[in-house]
Amino acid sequence: EPEVTQTPSHQVTQMGQEVILRCVPISNHLYFYWYRQILGQKVEFLVSFYNNEISEKSEIFDDQFSVERPDGSNFTLKIRSTKLEDSAMYFCAGYGTGSSGELFFGEGSRLTVL
Amino acid sequence: GEDVEQSLFLSVREGDSSVINCTYTDSSSTYLYWYKQEPGAGLQLLTYIFSNMDMKQDQRLTVLLNKKDKHLSLRIADTQTGDSAIYFCAERRAGNMLTFGGGTRLMVKP
Repeated sequence: EPEVTQTPSHQVTQMGQEVILRCVPISNHLYFYWYRQILGQKVEFLVSFYNNEISEKSEIFDDQFSVERPDGSNFTLKIRSTKLEDSAMYFCAGYGTGSSGELFFGEGSRLTVL
Repeated sequence: GEDVEQSLFLSVREGDSSVINCTYTDSSSTYLYWYKQEPGAGLQLLTYIFSNMDMKQDQRLTVLLNKKDKHLSLRIADTQTGDSAIYFCAERRAGNMLTFGGGTRLMVKP
């Protein structure tokens, strides 16, 4: 089965620091997503990305967040100045137009903000 | 409301069938999904169903969809201890984003 790869698997950072989470989507995917899951809570949509631009974003995705696809393969989520409440598992997901509905998630990056 | 709803907890004995239920909200949802999450792990796509179908079977998994009632269920036949996990249903709404339920924790007793 194809894989979405995320790094790092776990990052610990101090409040106020910048964090970049990386994702390598499946090669033929065209739509990319970031979701997050605060411990014990629902999986929440953050942002979707298509054709090198944001197509949709949630209320959570404020000015502290940004996404990029800098080199045509990696897909990154940046948090500029982390807050305690940003501690969560962040999942990358991808979908390709020919994939008949299959939306694959990566294993997640756990972010702990101290 | 806008929430996708699931019961919190289900306990079954090994070898029994498990049925996990979900109600969703958007009648225009195109696909509905079931994901499995083991402790500390990611979201594993188990199965999904297109909204014009009412049933899909994949080995031990059977998905039933009642569009009129916006009700989705996942049946796991011959449940094993390795099936113990949290199961999330999700609906795909406009823009291809998924909205998840809160998850059902399945505990399988030997």
